[in-house]
Amino acid sequence: DAGVTQSPTHLIKTRGQQVTLRCSPKSGHDTVSWYQQALGQGPQFIFQYYEEEERQRGNFPDRFSGHQFPNYSSELNVNALLLGDSALYLCASSLDPEGTEAFFGQGTRLTVV
Amino acid sequence: DAKTTQPTSMDCAEGRAANLPCNHSTISGNEYVYWYRQIHSQGPQYIIHGLKNNETNEMASLIITEDRKSSTLILPHATLRDTAVYYCIVRVADSWGKLQFGAGTQVVVTP
Repeated sequence: DAGVTQSPTHLIKTRGQQVTLRCSPKSGHDTVSWYQQALGQGPQFIFQYYEEEERQRGNFPDRFSGHQFPNYSSELNVNALLLGDSALYLCASSLDPEGTEAFFGQGTRLTVV
Repeated sequence: DAKTTQPTSMDCAEGRAANLPCNHSTISGNEYVYWYRQIHSQGPQYIIHGLKNNETNEMASLIITEDRKSSTLILPHATLRDTAVYYCIVRVADSWGKLQFGAGTQVVVTP
């Protein structure tokens, strides 16, 4: 079992550009959540997807959007990138939305210059 | 969800038990205590969770006080690989979604 896989591992973008990050959940998991982790801080919840719909959302602007595909994989899109969007973006999957245990990927390190 | 308070950092000698405290004085009756850890450059990893009874698994033990206002995560025999940031989180089980991470406790295990 490959666990949660994220791509790419590192990314550099220019301010104002758009970026798409990808996540494949652990086998058998149908729920995907995304988190943003700034340097030196704990992860902050962005949103959760289940049955291809956004089910819960944290305190992030509409520039952050996502999608879940029928195979449960997910994408995180960020438009109009700001320098402050530089962070580690983590994807987590669980067996269901109420899942006791969330499995996290290694993350995508996004640098906005 | 209730908030938690943890020490910023702590050191532990290899082979000794590491006792990580967490205060959650405003925890509600239906909120569980969860512990995750994050080793440098990796995603967080689930350790253990509990409601009011003490819990033990292959990684750690969780001791929750009778009034549930605080808890302690115990790593029985710390190894260098246990060096990580440890997060104490309270959340309603069987609820949708998010884990609210704080700043956590940086644990450094020394030889």
